[in-house]
Order: sequence, then structure tokens, then C-alpha cells
Amino acid sequence: SQTIHQWPATLVQPVGSPLSLECTVEGTSNPNLYWYRQAAGRGLQLLFYSVGIGQISSEVPQNLSASRPQDRQFILSSKKLLLSDSGFYLCAWSVGGPNEQFFGPGTRLTVL
Amino acid sequence: GDSVTQMEGPVTLSEEAFLTINCTYTATGYPSLFWYVQYPGEGLQLLLKATKADDKGSNKGFEATYRKETTSFHLEKGSVQVSDSAVYFCALGGRQGGKLIFGQGTELSVKP
Repeated sequence: SQTIHQWPATLVQPVGSPLSLECTVEGTSNPNLYWYRQAAGRGLQLLFYSVGIGQISSEVPQNLSASRPQDRQFILSSKKLLLSDSGFYLCAWSVGGPNEQFFGPGTRLTVL
Repeated sequence: GDSVTQMEGPVTLSEEAFLTINCTYTATGYPSLFWYVQYPGEGLQLLLKATKADDKGSNKGFEATYRKETTSFHLEKGSVQVSDSAVYFCALGGRQGGKLIFGQGTELSVKP
């Protein structure tokens, strides 16, 4: 069966520090991968998606970036965090079918 | 462009009450439709789906019917439990790159 992992689960970082969040999927090949952000009490905002290794599409301009160095690995990064980067970051995957997505457990990021 | 509109929350119900959460959509073509549930501090879980008009998705006592004529996919449950307290997201799929378009989410609180 397929599983999706995210780490770390929680993170507290100072403003201006770098960020690296990792997402890995097991049990499937060539998935589409997605990064979302969910601010407190708000809906989901799609940040990036990837349909293959090295292929990244950005949905909103910001100081975050994403990379996909391996088929089932998706990384969200920032060189310098802003207070507004605080939130709950969710990774998801999909493959074929009617495009349902399956979500990881999330990373709660607090920028102080 | 494509969009999903959900009823405003929070919705507060007593245990065993009937639940309806309204969802309407705007889209070109024939999208797939989904309901996701998010329990506090967790990622999203797929609750049910429907891939074509008149399909009824069901799971854990929840149901939703894909109504093309009214562009709706309302979520219903005949008797809610305290454990159903969560945020519910309606989503539209079948877009480029497997992207989903999410509604803003509806928070449900069930009181004993």
C-alpha cells in the first residue's frame, strides 16, 4: 500500500533563517506531488506541484521554492523565512484515475 | 475559472442530528468531485468521491450525489456523532497536472 511521510512534524524557526521540509511517498511510481499551505483557520493554498523529476510548477509568487530530486521525494525550501510563512504545510500525491489526492500528516511551521 | 463554494461555518449540531454541508461548483467539462475531512492537527483524508453525473459517493455514513443540473455536491449524514467534529472540504478535480480546486472548508462541531 502507499504511504506518504512528512518531516519534521513541527518546526519553530526565527525570521530570516532557511527552511527545508521533506516529503516522501512509498508504494507508487511517478506520482504527481503537491505542496499546500494552510494558514490558521483558513483554507488550502496550493504552492507547487510536480508531474515528474525536476518538473516544478509554482502557483503563487513567494519566497519559497520546491524541488523534486527523486521520483518520490518533494522538498520545500526557503532561503530566508518571513513571519507570514507560518502555517501548516501539507504534501500530497496523486496518480492517474479521477485525480484524488492523498495527503501527508503535515508540518506545522512557526516563524518567530 | 474553476471554483468551489461551500457553506459558511462553523456548523454546530447536537449528536444524532442530520447534517447537510452545501457545496456548489463552477467548472468547464466534467470534473470529478470529492469531499475531504480534516481532524484537528492532521492532514486531509479522502472521505468520498464521485466521477460522473448522478454518481453517489458514500463512506462512513456520509453521502454526496453529483448533480450536474444544479452543479452541486452536497454532503449529508443522517445522524452525526461527536467524533465527526472536523473541517470538511469540497474539491473539484480532473484539472491539469492533477490539481484539485478546494472550497474554503466548513468546520463542524457536534455536541453530546
